[in-house]
Amino acid sequence: GIQVEQSPPDLILQEGANSTLRCNFSDSVNNLQWFHQNPWGQLINLFYIPSGTKQNGRLSATTVATERYSLLYISSSQTTDSGVYFCAVGRYGNNRLAFGKGNQVVVIP
Amino acid sequence: ETGVTQTPRHLVMGMTNKKSLKCEQHLGHNAMYWYKQSAKKPLELMFVYNFKEQTENNSVPSRFSPECPNSSHLFLHLHTLQPEDSALYLCASSQFGTSETSSTDTQYFGPGTRLTVL
Repeated sequence: GIQVEQSPPDLILQEGANSTLRCNFSDSVNNLQWFHQNPWGQLINLFYIPSGTKQNGRLSATTVATERYSLLYISSSQTTDSGVYFCAVGRYGNNRLAFGKGNQVVVIP
Repeated sequence: ETGVTQTPRHLVMGMTNKKSLKCEQHLGHNAMYWYKQSAKKPLELMFVYNFKEQTENNSVPSRFSPECPNSSHLFLHLHTLQPEDSALYLCASSQFGTSETSSTDTQYFGPGTRLTVL
């Protein structure tokens, strides 16, 4: 199956700082999603981004499919950004998603 | 707000108990999933249902038994579980498309059931 690696595994940020999370994957994909898992376990969809760049408020994401990586940018971080960020990839015709181990982010005031 | 609901949110059971987890999606999707999330591990796909038919059973022990009576409801029946089965169980749904021109196969997750097996 497709291997997904996320880095860094753990990140501590001062409130207001910016950060970049990275997701590398081992094969071509047609489906790539970023999720945020809050401390209560809820997985929230952030982006569906198999290629290109998208922005949503303080978050943005870029996927370079030909080079098999995606980046999630958090700007002006807030304590509510704390949690685990997961990257998941898949292909059309196969609705199995392969998840990375996640980026654990802690934003301190 | 999630269009996928799960009950119960927390469950404690003994190894000899039988219980069921319930998932309902209100998004009109045609595919539903069960995932297991153990501490410090990636999400593990357990079962996939497309159009109410099971298409994936990811080597899950038979003490976990899924049921999908219609495209909106998914159950996970539990019996004779082991303490190592304690985990967060997540349900998800998506609109599954087989064409490369399909716009999206975005999966939406429920809040999960945190299961403890004593």
